[in-house]
Amino acid sequence: KAGVTQTPRYLIKTRGQQVTLSCSPISGHRSVSWYQQTPGQGLQFLFEYFSETQRNKGNFPGRFSGRQFSNSRSEMNVSTLELGDSALYLCASSLELAGSYNEQFFGPGTRLTVL
Amino acid sequence: EDQVTQSPEALRLQEGESSSLNCSYTVSGLRGLFWYRQDPGKGPEFLFTLYSAGEEKEKERLKATLTKKESFLHITAPKPEDSATYLCAVQGYSSASKIIFGSGTRLSIRP
Repeated sequence: KAGVTQTPRYLIKTRGQQVTLSCSPISGHRSVSWYQQTPGQGLQFLFEYFSETQRNKGNFPGRFSGRQFSNSRSEMNVSTLELGDSALYLCASSLELAGSYNEQFFGPGTRLTVL
Repeated sequence: EDQVTQSPEALRLQEGESSSLNCSYTVSGLRGLFWYRQDPGKGPEFLFTLYSAGEEKEKERLKATLTKKESFLHITAPKPEDSATYLCAVQGYSSASKIIFGSGTRLSIRP
């Protein structure tokens, strides 16, 4: 079974630009979560989508947004990029069956560098 | 508010020298506690889920245990390839589906 895939793997942008990252979850997984990871802050939760609806949201500004499509694939968008947005962006999917415990399986991440 | 604290921040061991990593948590109703391994520049790799106090799980040289307030990841006779950052995360019933991660323990095993 294929794992979580993220594209692109690496991205270089300049301040003020916007960026869209893509995530394809494991087949059959209905929940997709996004995280930002930096050396200083560790893994910070951005948001979670389930059945095309945002179910949970972390403490990030409105410049960070996301969506989920009917096939469970998800995208996240960051507008008006700032230097501090440089980070590894991780996507994780989970099965979300009733009664199951929601282990998340992570993709390899997208390394975003803002110059 | 749900919280996860991992200690130590970094740990250097000699090959074969066993030790334990700690994960202390505060959550209103534990739904699950998760351990991950992360290599530099890669996504976290799922290791274990623990559901209730007293539970233990093993995988090769790793053994995870759980009490009502903390979890331990015991590493027996580690090898250099066990070097990685180990992350602990919890999910509580009151926080819906949000999973809270600790800051991790950087483990380095010297040959």
